[in-house]
Amino acid sequence: DAKTTQPNSMESNEEEPVHLPCNHSTISGTDYIHWYRQLPSQGPEYVIHGLTSNVNNRMASLAIAEDRKSSTLILHRATLRDAAVYYCILRDSGATNKLIFGTGTLLAVQP
Amino acid sequence: SQTIHQWPATLVQPVGSPLSLECTVEGTSNPNLYWYRQAAGRGLQLLFYSVGIGQISSEVPQNLSASRPQDRQFILSSKKLLLSDSGFYLCAWGAGIGGEKLFFGSGTQLSVL
Repeated sequence: DAKTTQPNSMESNEEEPVHLPCNHSTISGTDYIHWYRQLPSQGPEYVIHGLTSNVNNRMASLAIAEDRKSSTLILHRATLRDAAVYYCILRDSGATNKLIFGTGTLLAVQP
Repeated sequence: SQTIHQWPATLVQPVGSPLSLECTVEGTSNPNLYWYRQAAGRGLQLLFYSVGIGQISSEVPQNLSASRPQDRQFILSSKKLLLSDSGFYLCAWGAGIGGEKLFFGSGTQLSVL
């Protein structure tokens, strides 16, 4: 399974944009880039995913580099409820569709 | 709509005792099912996954086993718990081939004393 590298932690102020980076230099052509987040004492929650093009949904935006070796999760206006661990994961589109989690980025949001 | 149920929410067990955690999914058929564990302050570790009834793949050799007796039921077991089995256990399901997302249960916090 290809690996991802994320900063251990980041800080943001409430109502400001947050850019969470992820490096995945060994990504293969069939790997989708997925982002999940985990609030304290809860299971992970799907945020967004993409393959080559940038993606937007109600939760966030995903910007994917042209060479696909890195990506950035963008929270447009951070709220206190966005404080969580954010995981960037490469997911093979094969039959098992299993997710291999790394250590993620702990995002702290200051009021 | 689909829902995933996992119980119990918390569990305290003595070392050497057996374990059985159950997970059921409603509103879908033939899901892929997964068991993850998260030790305190650590990331999620994939333990087992299943693509169908009776089909179990183990990701990490350990003191635990998994079974899938029915299409939407996934059970995590141990005959004798170790201290190192303590952690937050999460069940998840995905829609199989072409499925894009995993949906996680609310988890079981297991403390082995």
